[in-house]
Amino acid sequence: GQQVMQIPQYQHVQEGEDFTTYCNSSTTLSNIQWYKQRPGGHPVFLIQLVKSGEVKKQKRLTFQFGEAKKNSSLHITATQTTDVGTYFCAGNNAGNNRKLIWGLGTSLAVNP
Amino acid sequence: SAVISQKPSRDICQRGTSLTIQCQVDSQVTMMFWYRQQPGQSLTLIATANQGSEATYESGFVIDKFPISRPNLTFSTLTVSNMSPEDSSIYLCSVGHREEKLFFGSGTQLSVL
Repeated sequence: GQQVMQIPQYQHVQEGEDFTTYCNSSTTLSNIQWYKQRPGGHPVFLIQLVKSGEVKKQKRLTFQFGEAKKNSSLHITATQTTDVGTYFCAGNNAGNNRKLIWGLGTSLAVNP
Repeated sequence: SAVISQKPSRDICQRGTSLTIQCQVDSQVTMMFWYRQQPGQSLTLIATANQGSEATYESGFVIDKFPISRPNLTFSTLTVSNMSPEDSSIYLCSVGHREEKLFFGSGTQLSVL
């Protein structure tokens, strides 16, 4: 079936280090969305990418959508303790049903 | 953006009982969704709440177990019926244009004893 794999599952970094999470889909996506969920909180929408090869930045966060629209990455430069949480990617199928498929998430812990 | 009020925020229930979760949005929205999130897991869509018609359920979820109401464009309820411990989870309502750029309520943490 359709899957979105996300790696790593967990990442533990020292404050100030960089962090990257990767998202790979078994099917072509019409878009990729990224959400952040703080511990005990609910998912919060961060960004949506729709174009092949698209790169967007939000302060220290850089989001990329692959040329084939099957993979994506989120890179955080110089992590801070406020970056702690689980980052989920989710993509809508490029087909007719446009079903949203969620990755399993990457949990980020930051040591101060 | 949308402001979503979801309640209750948490509840502890006895098996065999039912719990109704409410979701109120501060503006009219086309699509409302109900998700379930097991501890430490990803999100699983239960159903799409349709205004004025029956909800659209995903595979593995049925109306008898998870009846949903959506009487207008700003309000929906999800009932978890005849609960068992396996229903212990976080339930989230969300809104968005189709299934994109979703805004989530704060969630209902349900524990079934």
